[in-house]
Amino acid sequence: GESVGLHLPTLSVQEGDNSIINCAYSNSASDYFIWYKQESGKGPQFIIDIRSNMDKRQGQRVTVLLNKTVKHLSLQIAATQPGDSAVYFCAENNNDMRFGAGTRLTVKP
Amino acid sequence: ETGVTQTPRHLVMGMTNKKSLKCEQHLGHNAMYWYKQSAKKPLELMFVYSLEERVENNSVPSRFSPECPNSSHLFLHLHTLQPEDSALYLCASSQGLNEKLFFGSGTQLSVL
Repeated sequence: GESVGLHLPTLSVQEGDNSIINCAYSNSASDYFIWYKQESGKGPQFIIDIRSNMDKRQGQRVTVLLNKTVKHLSLQIAATQPGDSAVYFCAENNNDMRFGAGTRLTVKP
Repeated sequence: ETGVTQTPRHLVMGMTNKKSLKCEQHLGHNAMYWYKQSAKKPLELMFVYSLEERVENNSVPSRFSPECPNSSHLFLHLHTLQPEDSALYLCASSQGLNEKLFFGSGTQLSVL
């Protein structure tokens, strides 16, 4: 069946470096994608979204890239900080919202 | 704060107990959701309400019973749960169906 998945379950980066979190999706009809961040003891928090008519969108220190040809979504975090340590989920929407399993980002001081 | 409040934050219950989870959103949204989050598994959608009408029930066992009395409140009534139902239960809301979700902090449920 269709699924949303993540390439890596964990990612460890040095403070100040850039982070890239990847997500693969298999439903080519999905038209809306969202990245969420979940810190310990909290619910997922919206970071950034992108619609299928775009291939790049930038926020504050974050950029989402969408490659519809290979059904790939990535989240880039610039100058990663300790406060960025969390689990990051991608979600795709095609009549309903489906989430990936998540990638745990750890930032080393 | 996200504007979505869930109570209680933690709940321990026996398999024969009846309890309810409560969610309230202060965002003026029209859609509300219940999700189940288990360790190392993707978020599982349980129920969706739009304008107080249930629009989706993802084959959830009848021991889980949702209630949406108005567009700001959502309940999940629990009865005769199983230990495998232990998980984090998340409530979310969105302006329209399947738009970006605003989550509460969840209720961590343990079934003994």
